[in-house]
Amino acid sequence: DGGITQSPKYLFRKEGQNVTLSCEQNLNHDAMYWYRQDPGQGLRLIYYSQIVNDFQKGDIAEGYSVSREKKESFPLTVTSAQKNPTAFYLCASSITGAYDQPQHFGDGTRLSIL
Amino acid sequence: GENVEQHPSTLSVQEGDSAVIKCTYSDSASNYFPWYKQELGKGPQLIIDIRSNVGEKKDQRIAVTLNKTAKHFSLHITETQPEDSAVYFCAASAGGTSYGKLTFGQGTILTVHP
Repeated sequence: DGGITQSPKYLFRKEGQNVTLSCEQNLNHDAMYWYRQDPGQGLRLIYYSQIVNDFQKGDIAEGYSVSREKKESFPLTVTSAQKNPTAFYLCASSITGAYDQPQHFGDGTRLSIL
Repeated sequence: GENVEQHPSTLSVQEGDSAVIKCTYSDSASNYFPWYKQELGKGPQLIIDIRSNVGEKKDQRIAVTLNKTAKHFSLHITETQPEDSAVYFCAASAGGTSYGKLTFGQGTILTVHP
């Protein structure tokens, strides 16, 4: 089955630690996205990538980093510079980065601080 | 930048009734409007979308209407069923941008009582 796989489902971070969230897609989509979801709020864009080896900051990129070395993979690192990392993180992909391409989401990773 | 307001934040209906969720947007350049359904612990799933050259779109029990002049769009669910219970998000995206940046509303928790 084609889809987006996010791992792990739950992740715990100690103070001062960097953690990396995995996102893999087998949909052959060019564009991939990372969103953050906080309780009672909509999704906010962290980073996006329209094509391999290219990515751009979204609205809330501070304290996060990404890479796009392979078409199917778009890992997100939450660095120690992110002071409020506790949230639900969602990865998405679309066929292209065009404005009207439907975005398909994974089932998320819930990050908590120990 | 774009701002999307979604109302109501919670909606409770009896099985078989209709449910309506409304969103307003600020950027007159927006012309793609998807709706997502999110079940507990899952990622959002696209349920219907509309482009600005269309005023209404239906898919079985779900319909979306768009009023570009007033800058608002609505989701209509008829003959609601308990499995429709979820969080619903609207979003907007503007053509002419270099990527598919979606701005999301805050979400509506829909509860359908048997």
